[in-house]
Amino acid sequence: AQRVTQPEKLLSVFKGAPVELKCNYSYSGSPELFWYVQYSRQRLQLLLRHISRESIKGFTADLNKGETSFHLKKPFAQEEDSAMYYCAPIWGGGADGLTFGKGTHLIIQP
Amino acid sequence: GAGVSQSPRYKVAKRGQDVALRCDPISGHVSLFWYQQALGQGPEFLTYFQNEAQLDKSGLPSDRFFAERPEGSVSTLKIQRTQQEDSAVYLCATRVGNSYEQYFGPGTRLTVT
Repeated sequence: AQRVTQPEKLLSVFKGAPVELKCNYSYSGSPELFWYVQYSRQRLQLLLRHISRESIKGFTADLNKGETSFHLKKPFAQEEDSAMYYCAPIWGGGADGLTFGKGTHLIIQP
Repeated sequence: GAGVSQSPRYKVAKRGQDVALRCDPISGHVSLFWYQQALGQGPEFLTYFQNEAQLDKSGLPSDRFFAERPEGSVSTLKIQRTQQEDSAVYLCATRVGNSYEQYFGPGTRLTVT
């Protein structure tokens, strides 16, 4: 079955420290992978998409097909990064809906 | 408009009541999605429209859930005979063309007592 896993429910790091939010998926095909973010009192919004290979707000994510992972990384965390982060694949095959992980609550301590 | 809007923002229903949740998409956005987000969970896909056609309703949890988008714009998610397990935030998202980015509304928080 297709599944996406975010193993950490809560991740707390100090400002300036590196951040890595883990995402693993189980799927034999090639999904489209996204990270969505929800800041406090704001809507869910797209952070980045793997195929565009860009860096948004200092975050990057590399798709590792061998490990079926799409971890989100930032070298130096900032307080404004505190938010809920969701890994969200689209499996393809005609399905357009996102499949969200359970999310990781990232807290950046001053 | 400013973005996807949803109404009401909060709804309290007694068990057994019917509810209707509305989504106003961004003008010109062809694709519309509904998600259900239970407390402490990520959003779960319910259904998807392209214009007025409901192309995927595989995520609707039971036949008590019904969604429509008759003119290809505003969509309504209806839940009949609400149960306590229906308590959740219901999110609407829209997408323009073949772009993969989905734009989310603020959600409707449904509490069934």
